[in-house]
Amino acid sequence: SQELEQSPQSLIVQEGKNLTINCTSSKTLYGLYWYKQKYGEGLIFLMMLQKGGEEKSHEKITAKLDEKKQQSSLHITASQPSHAGIYLCGADKGAGNMLTFGGGTRLMVKP
Amino acid sequence: DGGITQSPKYLFRKEGQNVTLSCEQNLNHDAMYWYRQDPGQGLRLIYYSQIVNDFQKGDIAEGYSVSREKKESFPLTVTSAQKNPTAFYLCASSMTGGSPLHFGNGTRLTVT
Repeated sequence: SQELEQSPQSLIVQEGKNLTINCTSSKTLYGLYWYKQKYGEGLIFLMMLQKGGEEKSHEKITAKLDEKKQQSSLHITASQPSHAGIYLCGADKGAGNMLTFGGGTRLMVKP
Repeated sequence: DGGITQSPKYLFRKEGQNVTLSCEQNLNHDAMYWYRQDPGQGLRLIYYSQIVNDFQKGDIAEGYSVSREKKESFPLTVTSAQKNPTAFYLCASSMTGGSPLHFGNGTRLTVT
């Protein structure tokens, strides 16, 4: 089965700093999804990547999928307290839309 | 507004009792899913349904049951056979064909 490893597991940054979260797969990724979760709530969809080398941005968040399609990164520029939460990557299992998820990265942004 | 509604937000049960978690969506999505999230861990798939009156086991289906009698509804029953039922349960839905999952706000179940 596909395993997704996220790093780091947790991250504390000063407001205004940039940060990167990584998601590494043991198998080729055919669809990679990034979600954000506030503590005790549901997941909010951020971005989906499908092609090797693809890069997408939304506001101050940029996600990339490497050419080999086995690693994705999520980069936040000039972090703000509103960026705090848990970031999860999810990969298409290849049969329907079922996703397998990484363990999540807990981000805290200190004002 | 379209969305997914999970109820209740918090649920407390005694060990040995079955409990049903509600999930309703008005997004006209064909597929629905149940995930379980434990502290410090990612999500694990319990059951999924891609069409009414059909559903499939996910990675951790033991001790759970579901039904899909209507397109809008996908209730999850946590049975007494589930050995560690205390967890945060998330319901999701999607169109078919590689579209993102939309999640509800979850139900936190505590069994004592």
